Amino acid sequence: GQQLNQNPQSMFIQEGEDVSMNCTSSSIFNTWLWYKQDPGEGPVLLIALYKAGELTSNGRLTAQFGITRKDSFLNISASIPSDVGIYFCAGLWDSGSRLTFGEGTQLTVNP
Amino acid sequence: NAGVMQNPRHLVRRRGQEARLRCSPMKGHSHVYWYRQLPEEGLKFMVYLQKENIIDESGMPKERFSAEFPKEGPSILRIQQVVRGDSAAYFCASSPALAGVNTGELFFGEGSRLTVL
Repeated sequence: GQQLNQNPQSMFIQEGEDVSMNCTSSSIFNTWLWYKQDPGEGPVLLIALYKAGELTSNGRLTAQFGITRKDSFLNISASIPSDVGIYFCAGLWDSGSRLTFGEGTQLTVNP
Repeated sequence: NAGVMQNPRHLVRRRGQEARLRCSPMKGHSHVYWYRQLPEEGLKFMVYLQKENIIDESGMPKERFSAEFPKEGPSILRIQQVVRGDSAAYFCASSPALAGVNTGELFFGEGSRLTVL
């Protein structure tokens, strides 16, 4: 089946630093999405990407849909303590298929 | 304007009992998904349903697990004869499926945490 590999698995950074994480797949996806999960909560959609090469921002977050359609990147600028959580990438092949999630990147921000 | 509502939030069962988890999608959403999350792991797809119809159940274990989304009422994930390995957080999500198209934009509930003793 389709698998998504996220790197790194965990990150420990200082407040104010920028963060980069990525997601790769051996299969092509036509939609890439990034979700964030706070402790004890369900995931919340951050950014959705629908076109290869697309670069989309949402506040301090920027995500890119890789040109090969097999990867995506998420950057967080000037991190703050509330950025703590697990960041999941997700891929969708087509509108009739299921959404596949990566294993997540655990982000810890030290004040 | 309620989001996706799941209940119970926490459920404790003994081995061999049945667990029923309920999910009410957001108003206007006709697609429901169930995902399972083990501690320290990602979300594993279980089943994708529309009203009265199972679209994709390829992630459901072949035995003891079933799901439904009736015409009226919430979606139900049912686990019969639970075992310790069923202990996990079960998340429901819904989507608006604009014009019948699954965009991948899911709205998740807060999850139901099942503990099997």
